[in-house]
Amino acid sequence: DIQLTQSPSFLSASVGDTVIITCRASQDIASYVAWYQQSPGKAPKLLLYAASHLHSGTPSRFRGSGFGSEFILAINSLQPEDFATYYCQQLKSHPFTFGLGTKVEIK
Amino acid sequence: QVRLVESGGGAVQPGESLRLSCETGGFTFSDAGMHWVRQAPGKGLEWVAFIRHDATNTLYLDSVKGRFAISRDNSKDTVFLQMNRLRPEDSAVYYCAKDLSPYFDLDYWGQGTLVTVSS
Repeated sequence: DIQLTQSPSFLSASVGDTVIITCRASQDIASYVAWYQQSPGKAPKLLLYAASHLHSGTPSRFRGSGFGSEFILAINSLQPEDFATYYCQQLKSHPFTFGLGTKVEIK
Repeated sequence: QVRLVESGGGAVQPGESLRLSCETGGFTFSDAGMHWVRQAPGKGLEWVAFIRHDATNTLYLDSVKGRFAISRDNSKDTVFLQMNRLRPEDSAVYYCAKDLSPYFDLDYWGQGTLVTVSS
């Protein structure tokens, strides 16, 4: 199975900050990565697919990049509604594993 | 708009069965692959199963293979997860989600249904 390592697992930031979340895959997964946001008590929401493509409705302050085994989610100018947990997922081969998540909290 | 509504969760004892349903609307169900994903309390997301739009292929997490079965009824825009021989470690909120055809990515999710397996 393909393992995904997300870092950091937790970060504290302020409104207006730029944050970077990294997702490393245990093998080459090309660009088969999605990023999700989950607020407490809510279902996850797709932010980006195919590593860098914004899903409909995702604000442009979210950017994804990477190819192969290393991927980045960047959030520019953090907004209050962005404080949540973020997950990467690989869709190269099943089981379609998720990273363990990165919780973004208000400093 | 896109709608996915899970039902069928509940509290059962180890070894028992449950059948989850996910009723959908707002998109062409017969064109979409469908996933089940679960989340144990306070834990991360775990992908469980997938079914192609035409039900010609299904995929499973190893730990549920042979116990769980995903199916769909394209005439009712509904996907199911039959869960047999349930174990305590299957306790979680179960979400259904549609894929972003032609990609596997999960673009819309339901609100989830809670399954608790305990003696």
